[in-house]
Amino acid sequence: SSELTQDPAVSVALGQTVRITCQGDSLRSYYASWYQQKPGQAPVLVIYGKNNRPSGIPDRFSGSSSGNTASLTITGAQAEDEADYYCNSRDSSGNHLSVFGTGTKVTVL
Amino acid sequence: QVQLQESGPGLVKPSQTLSLTCTVSGGSISSGSYYWSWIRQPAGKGLEWIGRIYTSGSTNYNPSLKSRVTISVDTSKNQFSLKLSSVTAADTAVYYCARDHLVAAAGTLVGWFDPWGQGTLVTVSS
Repeated sequence: SSELTQDPAVSVALGQTVRITCQGDSLRSYYASWYQQKPGQAPVLVIYGKNNRPSGIPDRFSGSSSGNTASLTITGAQAEDEADYYCNSRDSSGNHLSVFGTGTKVTVL
Repeated sequence: QVQLQESGPGLVKPSQTLSLTCTVSGGSISSGSYYWSWIRQPAGKGLEWIGRIYTSGSTNYNPSLKSRVTISVDTSKNQFSLKLSSVTAADTAVYYCARDHLVAAAGTLVGWFDPWGQGTLVTVSS
């Protein structure tokens, strides 16, 4: 299966830690990438590969992976981290077709 | 740094062909080993990958859209384009273009999209 499943919504208290998970068979073969999307804006890459952050992404964002599950952790969540988060990976078809997760709405309380 | 910008009609009639162009600035579309992808997002819904093109012209498409999608590249204009035929209201969405990375690392493959264009809304309606 090339599907990637995420919890629809999670909430976190300001300054606390939240983990967002992404499950799918393709994650056994590919690292996930993670995107933050705020209302009315284009998605922004926050994590790719084993645990790589693009320039400008705060170090409170980190990634990990185990088996068929990838995780994005926000340590010390800030109000500006409230957004939708999507994982992405490639399928196992041999052509590395791309697939996005279902998305997780993160609310910072 | 590389920037992407989508352009094209914001309104398309049902059964017609949606056509969009992504212009790459700040770098050559042919430099580096990159793919170039189209992604869309219906209002209030998640992201859907449409397909990608390499500067050699080789393409890969989402199987659910493959019969209706054509992606092409014009390296002389530093652009790549999307055509989606026989559109219906279900194709109404914000369409994004993005640079698509795929590399081998630590015995596995890593893919990611960066940067993205700002997106353009295409509405299918008569």
